Amino acid sequence: DAMVIQNPRYQVTQFGKPVTLSCSQTLNHNVMYWYQQKSSQAPKLLFHYYDKDFNNEADTPDNFQSRRPNTSFCFLDIRSPGLGDAAMYLCATSRRGSNIDNEQFFGPGTRLTVL
Amino acid sequence: DAKTTQPPSMDCAEGRAANLPCNHSTISGNEYVYWYRQIHSQGPQYIIHGLKNNETNEMASLIITEDRKSSTLILPHATLRDTAVYYCIVGLLVSGGYQKVTFGTGTKLQVIP
Repeated sequence: DAMVIQNPRYQVTQFGKPVTLSCSQTLNHNVMYWYQQKSSQAPKLLFHYYDKDFNNEADTPDNFQSRRPNTSFCFLDIRSPGLGDAAMYLCATSRRGSNIDNEQFFGPGTRLTVL
Repeated sequence: DAKTTQPPSMDCAEGRAANLPCNHSTISGNEYVYWYRQIHSQGPQYIIHGLKNNETNEMASLIITEDRKSSTLILPHATLRDTAVYYCIVGLLVSGGYQKVTFGTGTKLQVIP
């Protein structure tokens, strides 16, 4: 089945130690999104790629970076994680074009713990 | 982006219809109403969306008022597996032809046996 895959599902890092989360998709969608979801809160969009074009949200801290080497893969890099960055990180994809079927497909998320 | 207002929580008896309301009074003409749900510890799942007309699919029905300022998601026969947080979202179609959405606080639906 076509899907969005996130690895690892659980990631533990130390305060200030860079960490990379990965997302891959078999849907061949043009758009890939990264969301941050803290406990008991709604997902918050960090940035998204439309093909190779990177679109950052205005309030996303510089500590968060992203790479998309090809259509299938997208990475979230946290350069110096703080305790406040502990959260679930969700990757999503969507197709461009038709309004009828451009819903977002989400992966299961990676839960990041910062010690 | 238009904001949405939802009740924080609702209960529904198993087998009954669950009606989840959403207010989006500042919605503009080119913004769609999307509904997603998130079961505990999973990624959000798309349910349904609409612009003006009522919509129905295998999961739910979406009723949008004529002035588009509010909508209701209807799960016709709620089961225990429908227990989740339901997000009503107004999505902006950006120039690239895809949706950019802002999640609101959602409604936590508890289906009771």
